[in-house]
Amino acid sequence: QITLKESGPALVKPTQTLTLTCTFSGFSLTTSGVGVGWIRQPPGKALEWLALISWDDDKRYRSSLKSRLAIAKDTSKNQVVFTVTNTDPKDTATYYCGRHIHGHSYFDSWSQGFPVTVSS
Amino acid sequence: DVQMTQSPSSLSASVGDRVTITCRASQMIDNKLNWYRKRPGKAPELLLYGTYNLPSGVSSTFSGSGFGADFALTISRLQHEDAGIYYCQQSYTMPYTFGQGTKVEI
Repeated sequence: QITLKESGPALVKPTQTLTLTCTFSGFSLTTSGVGVGWIRQPPGKALEWLALISWDDDKRYRSSLKSRLAIAKDTSKNQVVFTVTNTDPKDTATYYCGRHIHGHSYFDSWSQGFPVTVSS
Repeated sequence: DVQMTQSPSSLSASVGDRVTITCRASQMIDNKLNWYRKRPGKAPELLLYGTYNLPSGVSSTFSGSGFGADFALTISRLQHEDAGIYYCQQSYTMPYTFGQGTKVEI
């Protein structure tokens, strides 16, 4: 059974760095063709893909946010850490992590979702 | 970025009904189209990948069609548990982009 769960602060102040951790089980990030991605959904808006890290440590970011995003993996802990620097109230959203399968490039398992508010 | 437009934005149907949701891409994306469902209080679920491929464990009442820029998700016999918001997602090019969602009420 595959599970993913996010952890991190529910509230951050503008300009601070948001750090979220995705802890997963049921698969390994050393398996070829597997990745973990981050997606968010601001209130009342569509899902927005943010970043992806693959088994070979290839990293991809949403180009419009690339300067503020970072993703890294710790395969020994089955974790992926995601950071957003210089946060703004527009970063208020529910954040999801998901297992990504290359080829058709889909997210076949998702976390429950973690609400984050950026506010002073 | 590839824009994904879903239609309708919401619908109400009865148990047993056949329901179709459409998704249009702003450019050609071959068959690189995936569908997800988000039910209240639950994690999003993958329903179809590569336009028409059914993941293991997903009900065969779900089917997909289309190629290029126009796609459709059909639920052949609606069940109570199918209530939720349905999203399409293109995986042809990064950034991956999602439709705005279709809310299905039963």
